[in-house]
Amino acid sequence: DADVTQTPRNRITKTGKRIMLECSQTKGHDRMYWYRQDPGLGLRLIYYSFDVKDINKGEISDGYSVSRQAQAKFSLSLESAIPNQTALYFCATSDTGQGRAGELFFGEGSRLTVL
Amino acid sequence: DQQVKQNSPSLSVQEGRISILNCDYTNSMFDYFLWYKKYPAEGPTFLISISSIKDKNEDGRFTVFLNKSAKHLSLHIVPSQPGDSAVYFCAASEWGNAGGTSYGKLTFGQGTILTVHP
Repeated sequence: DADVTQTPRNRITKTGKRIMLECSQTKGHDRMYWYRQDPGLGLRLIYYSFDVKDINKGEISDGYSVSRQAQAKFSLSLESAIPNQTALYFCATSDTGQGRAGELFFGEGSRLTVL
Repeated sequence: DQQVKQNSPSLSVQEGRISILNCDYTNSMFDYFLWYKKYPAEGPTFLISISSIKDKNEDGRFTVFLNKSAKHLSLHIVPSQPGDSAVYFCAASEWGNAGGTSYGKLTFGQGTILTVHP
């Protein structure tokens, strides 16, 4: 089983619908992140959380919200999906103890299509 | 304004030859650099990293070179194998602060698709 699990893996929805992408991890890491990947733009940070009570905006947080329900769970919501939110979304974790290493452990991705 | 750029969207190499993937950055505050590899339908995985106080780091077939004056780093794969075919992301880290917590804030490049032909 994957250490970082994302659900759903694929989702097609319509403009205006509310969508939730879920992430759970068994690595015991305290830090969790949501990224989106777009062709030609690489990976961009949406939101991140360093512990259950900590939520921080990344570089492209508009139109998104998150919830850190437990140390192991971090959900990303699109309150009213729009077509330009069509992308591949990745959840990632990191361990505070790594210090400056910055190594992230990624889930397998959730492909979202907004029609 | 992209602070980390991988200007080659794709690279094609023959098996056994060297693959060189390049990355340029603009932010002088970056002090740690990483390469990630991504296969289709999988998440990126960490490959190799280098601190800004070094100019080279080697791990088996993979070597990363850093030229701070040129703000340029490169990943060399020697010899290249078909299993190396993947998307490679360069990432750069600087100190960030969120609510009093310091962390390594990563900025990713656009990625380069490497294809190694048998």
